[in-house]
Amino acid sequence: AQSVTQLGSHVSVSEGALVLLRCNYSSSVPPYLFWYVQYPNQGLQLLLKYTTGATLVKGINGFEAEFKKSETSFHLTKPSAHMSDAAEYFCAVSPIYNQGGKLIFGQGTELSVKP
Amino acid sequence: NAGVTQTPKFQVLKTGQSMTLQCAQDMNHNSMYWYRQDPGMGLRLIYYSASEGTTDKGEVPNGYNVSRLNKREFSLRLESAAPSQTSVYFCASSGRQGTPGDTQYFGPGTRLTVL
Repeated sequence: AQSVTQLGSHVSVSEGALVLLRCNYSSSVPPYLFWYVQYPNQGLQLLLKYTTGATLVKGINGFEAEFKKSETSFHLTKPSAHMSDAAEYFCAVSPIYNQGGKLIFGQGTELSVKP
Repeated sequence: NAGVTQTPKFQVLKTGQSMTLQCAQDMNHNSMYWYRQDPGMGLRLIYYSASEGTTDKGEVPNGYNVSRLNKREFSLRLESAAPSQTSVYFCASSGRQGTPGDTQYFGPGTRLTVL
């Protein structure tokens, strides 16, 4: 069965530092790939997604992610962290042939930003 | 445009009580989903409805029932609540009919505690 692994349940960075959140999927056929963000006590908001085309995807708030088929990865990065980036981030996949357009989520990574 | 709305926002139940969580979307979307979020486990799909008039089980359907009342509304019912159902419940919708890769839009969530 398809699965998603996010390395690190908690990541802490200093304001202005690089943000790197890791996501790996398990599938012989690359799925569609998503990153969502959840601010405290709110629902999930789409940051970016990869379906086809260019493997480097740019999203909102300065985030980007690169699909690497050989590494089965879709890591999320941001060059310079802001305090407002503190939130929980979820990587999710949608298998290409799945019925219903379902999403399979990783366990989430909580990002803290230190002043 | 309110997007996806959920009621109630908070609920406390006693073991064995029943309740219905309501979800509505005003984006004319075809597909709707119910997830539960538990610490360290990400979001897991309970049930989904790829189109009006259809519903299907997700990963964790036991103890739940759903109704796709019309295109806008998708409710989740707990017939006899158990402490293991303490969780945060999210409703989501997507535009096309059960299409992999389609973006899902999430509601603000319902925080349920079962004593």
